[in-house]
Amino acid sequence: SQTIHQWPATLVQPVGSPLSLECTVEGTSNPNLYWYRQAAGRGLQLLFYSVGIGQISSEVPQNLSASRPQDRQFILSSKKLLLSDSGFYLCAWSSNGGGQETQYFGPGTRLLVL
Amino acid sequence: GNSVTQMEGPVTLSEEAFLTINCTYTATGYPSLFWYVQYPGEGLQLLLKATKADDKGSNKGFEATYRKETTSFHLEKGSVQVSDSAVYFCADNVKAAGNKLTFGGGTRVLVKP
Repeated sequence: SQTIHQWPATLVQPVGSPLSLECTVEGTSNPNLYWYRQAAGRGLQLLFYSVGIGQISSEVPQNLSASRPQDRQFILSSKKLLLSDSGFYLCAWSSNGGGQETQYFGPGTRLLVL
Repeated sequence: GNSVTQMEGPVTLSEEAFLTINCTYTATGYPSLFWYVQYPGEGLQLLLKATKADDKGSNKGFEATYRKETTSFHLEKGSVQVSDSAVYFCADNVKAAGNKLTFGGGTRVLVKP
């Protein structure tokens, strides 16, 4: 069966510091991968998605970037964090069937920027 | 563009009450429709889905029917429990590059004993 992991689970970082959040998927190959952000009490905003290694699409202009160095690894980064980057970051995967595939979510990383 | 609208919460209920959370979408064609649930401090879990008109998704006592004529996918449960307290998200998925979901804003449900 497929599983998705995210770490760390919680992170407290000062403004201006760098960020690296990692997401890995097991039990599938060539998945679509997604990063979402959920601000406190708000809905989900799609930040990035990837349909293959090295292929990243950005949905909104922001202070963050994403990379996919391996088939089942998706990394969210920032060079300098802003207060507004605080939130709950969720990674998701779906199969790459070209249709309307279900997305499955990881446990999330809660980021607090002080 | 495509949007998904669901009723704002919080919705507060007593145990064994009937729950309805309304959800409508604007996507044309035949999107797939989903309900996800988020328990406190956790990620999202798929609750149920429907992929074509008149399909009924069901899981854990929850049901939702894909209504093409009203572009709706309302979530219902006949008798809620305290453990159903969570945030519920409606979403749709139009066949397009990247298989992207569009989410509603979420509805917080609180069930009191």
